[in-house]
Amino acid sequence: DAMVIQNPRYQVTQFGKPVTLSCSQTLNHNVMYWYQQKSSQAPKLLFHYYDKDFNNEADTPDNFQSRRPNTSFCFLDIRSPGLGDAAMYLCATSRGGSSGRGYEQYFGPGTRLTVT
Amino acid sequence: DAKTTQPPSMDCAEGRAANLPCNHSTISGNEYVYWYRQIHSQGPQYIIHGLKNNETNEMASLIITEDRKSSTLILPHATLRDTAVYYCIVRPFTSGTYKYIFGTGTRLKVLA
Repeated sequence: DAMVIQNPRYQVTQFGKPVTLSCSQTLNHNVMYWYQQKSSQAPKLLFHYYDKDFNNEADTPDNFQSRRPNTSFCFLDIRSPGLGDAAMYLCATSRGGSSGRGYEQYFGPGTRLTVT
Repeated sequence: DAKTTQPPSMDCAEGRAANLPCNHSTISGNEYVYWYRQIHSQGPQYIIHGLKNNETNEMASLIITEDRKSSTLILPHATLRDTAVYYCIVRPFTSGTYKYIFGTGTRLKVLA
C-alpha cells in the first residue's frame, strides 16, 4: 500500500513557467520534507515542515516555495524554473517529537522534472 | 553539511556478506546513525538505525563501534537486488531537530 504518494511521476515544464509538484501521505506523520536530487548526486534537503511550522534550508533558492494545507498534503512550487532545476524531487515523511528510539523517514517514488 | 564519510564505491560477490563502512567521528551523544539505500530511479528506502548498541532486522545488521565514531552496515547474503547507493546519516533525536542530511553515499555493486 502506497504510504507516500507523489504526483505526477514525470513532469515537463517550460523554462520560466511555474510548476507545482504534489505529495500526499497516509501515515499521519508530523514532518514532511522536500529534497532535490540531481543526477549521480545525493538528495539535497530543500525544506521541511513540522506540522505547519516551515523550515527552509539556508541555501534553498527563493524560486522554491512550499505549502502544506493539511497533515496529508504538501506541495512544492517552483516559480520560474530554470534549466538547472531539472532534477528528481523527493518527498518524505517522518514522525516528530523526541523519542528514545528515533524515527525513520519514508520516501515517495519521486517526481522527475524536465525543463525545456 | 553531512557529518558522515563513506567510500564512494564497493563491489561484493553475490551470496557473500557486504560490509559497508561509515565514519562519523564528530557524532554527538544524542545522535542516531541511520542507513538508507536508493535503488536506481527510486526513492530512498530505510534500512536500519541505532544509537549505540548493535542492531539487526530482516534486512541488515548495524555494528556501531564502542566510541560511536564509526559504524558498519552488514548485508549478510548480498543479492543482485541489493545493488544500490547506500547512505549513512547521523541525526539527533531531540525534539525540534528533524533534518536528515544525506552524505555522498557508497555505490554498492553486487556481482553475479
